Amino acid sequence: DGGITQSPKYLFRKEGQNVTLSCEQNLNHDAMYWYRQDPGQGLRLIYYSQIVNDFQKGDIAEGYSVSREKKESFPLTVTSAQKNPTAFYLCATRPHAEETQYFGPGTRLLVL
Amino acid sequence: AQKVTQAQTEISVVEKEDVTLDCVYETRDTTYYLFWYKQPPSGELVFLIRRNSFDEQNEISGRYSWNFQKSTSSFNFTITASQVVDSAVYFCALSEPVGSGGTSYGKLTFGQGTILTVHP
Repeated sequence: DGGITQSPKYLFRKEGQNVTLSCEQNLNHDAMYWYRQDPGQGLRLIYYSQIVNDFQKGDIAEGYSVSREKKESFPLTVTSAQKNPTAFYLCATRPHAEETQYFGPGTRLLVL
Repeated sequence: AQKVTQAQTEISVVEKEDVTLDCVYETRDTTYYLFWYKQPPSGELVFLIRRNSFDEQNEISGRYSWNFQKSTSSFNFTITASQVVDSAVYFCALSEPVGSGGTSYGKLTFGQGTILTVHP
């Protein structure tokens, strides 16, 4: 089945803990993105990557880190520096030379 | 800077009513793309339509239609004969074009979203 998978669906973080959200795709899309959605708001861009081993900060990168070691994978780490991490996190991919982004099912992060 | 405004926070209609979701955008780019996404209760964003700035033709897809007016910077979305399954949050988004030399990365700027509830 082709698509974008995000895991886990729900994630709980304790104070001071780093957690990693997974995003995997088998669509052979070049670009990948991480967005954050807060209740009643639109999505805001955290990080993006256009090719393997390269990524750039988005609008709200502070307290987050990413890696892009493989084309299929773009994990997001929420570090302890992110003081308000409770949100819904969405991963998206975009094919080469196309404008549309396609989204995964999302991960809901909650702080204990 | 790009900006997207969806002035309607929530809309409630009864099944079979027509409903229009408004979207107004701001950009200094002459080439840009506009999108509508649907977010059902499951949370995943579902792509509905993409329109580029040079194509002002209206589009109809089944019960869905889109009205793009560059003169008023609007890209409105109409659902005809609404159904309960249309209940969702709908987002309008704007992106700059993806550059061939990596000069643009297709960043999406989203509106706040409109919560549509269709009652039986």
